[in-house]
Amino acid sequence: DGGITQSPKYLFRKEGQNVTLSCEQNLNHDAMYWYRQDPGQGLRLIYYSQIVNDFQKGDIAEGYSVSREKKESFPLTVTSAQKNPTAFYLCASSSGQAYGYTFGSGTRLTVV
Amino acid sequence: QKEVEQNSGPLSVPEGAIASLNCTYSDRGSQSFFWYRQYSGKSPELIMFIYSNGDKEDGRFTAQLNKASQYVSLLIRDSQPSDSATYLCASKAPNAGNMLTFGGGTRLMVKP
Repeated sequence: DGGITQSPKYLFRKEGQNVTLSCEQNLNHDAMYWYRQDPGQGLRLIYYSQIVNDFQKGDIAEGYSVSREKKESFPLTVTSAQKNPTAFYLCASSSGQAYGYTFGSGTRLTVV
Repeated sequence: QKEVEQNSGPLSVPEGAIASLNCTYSDRGSQSFFWYRQYSGKSPELIMFIYSNGDKEDGRFTAQLNKASQYVSLLIRDSQPSDSATYLCASKAPNAGNMLTFGGGTRLMVKP
């Protein structure tokens, strides 16, 4: 079955550590997105990529980095510069068709 | 800043009643609209999309679009406790590629 896979489901980060969240899709979608969601809040866009080897900052890109070397993959690195990274991270993808986003199951990141 | 606005709720309805969830948008050029359901701790899942003025029905769900008033709604008939979730409204503008603009979500509680 086609879908979008995020891993790990839970991730713990120590102070000053960089961590990478994985996002892989086999839907042949061109566009991919990373969102952050804090408890009781809406989705905030971190980075997005409309095509391989190209990506743009979203509303809250500071302290995060991404790469898009393959169409299927859009990993997100949470750097030590992100001072408050504890949140639920969602990856999504979309095609040129007007069907909205498909979301992954999310990664819950906690600072310990 | 193009926005999608939703009342955060919670909206509380008794089991079996009609739940009415509302959304307004500021970008008059937006052409397609999406409703996502998000259970606590889970990722959003698409439940309906609508492009044309009027009503679109799918089972117990009806999406309504009024482009003149820049208003989108989702009606849930015969509400069940399992419908208790946060409902996210999203819009897509023609000049935004595949990007969606999300509202903050409305929390729905269906009481047995």
